[in-house]
Amino acid sequence: DAGITQSPRHKVTETGTPVTLRCHQTENHRYMYWYRQDPGHGLRLIHYSYGVKDTDKGEVSDGYSVSRSKTEDFLLTLESATSSQTSVYFCAISSGTDNEKLFFGSGTQLSVL
Amino acid sequence: GENVEQHPSTLSVQEGDSAVIKCTYSDSASNYFPWYKQELGKRPQLIIDIRSNVGEKKDQRIAVTLNKTAKHFSLHITETQPEDSAVYFCAGDTGRRALTFGSGTRLQVQP
Repeated sequence: DAGITQSPRHKVTETGTPVTLRCHQTENHRYMYWYRQDPGHGLRLIHYSYGVKDTDKGEVSDGYSVSRSKTEDFLLTLESATSSQTSVYFCAISSGTDNEKLFFGSGTQLSVL
Repeated sequence: GENVEQHPSTLSVQEGDSAVIKCTYSDSASNYFPWYKQELGKRPQLIIDIRSNVGEKKDQRIAVTLNKTAKHFSLHITETQPEDSAVYFCAGDTGRRALTFGSGTRLQVQP
């Protein structure tokens, strides 16, 4: 599983509440990513990080923020969750020598009611 | 940025037949094109990839072809088996160490 874990695995929350998803890796990879998966849209990049405190936006970054204070942890925060953010969220890391090869975590199913 | 289109969205084949999934991309600077397989309820997993300096790559029953001039690439699965049933995603690199994915193809292999 490339040493990547996501928590929680499932979460149900209410509209307007803040939510934080955690991605943890054990192999000291530099690059980490957050994608969301929705039917008919494939996997869409939310944010990614290329080092501690170095992050950049993806194609669907509105309503999301990220933080990376340690190499091993990449947090995704929904400041005020909306129903349109109901989705499956996948964290990914890229391998050392081939930065483009992504390895995904098990995903977090988030439901915003 | 990169835009990747994938078709068909669903594909049903008989066991033993071949399956072909096609993708097109927009950014001529892209040079890395992986394919991921996602079984129901599981994470996407890399099954094969190709770089722009190669026209074809094979790994047992799966192969990927790339036409840089036309900006399209394809996944070929031969002698399909029921365990090949899954959703397949193509992707292209964005030049920022991130991937843009196609919308996915649901492959159903009928026994």
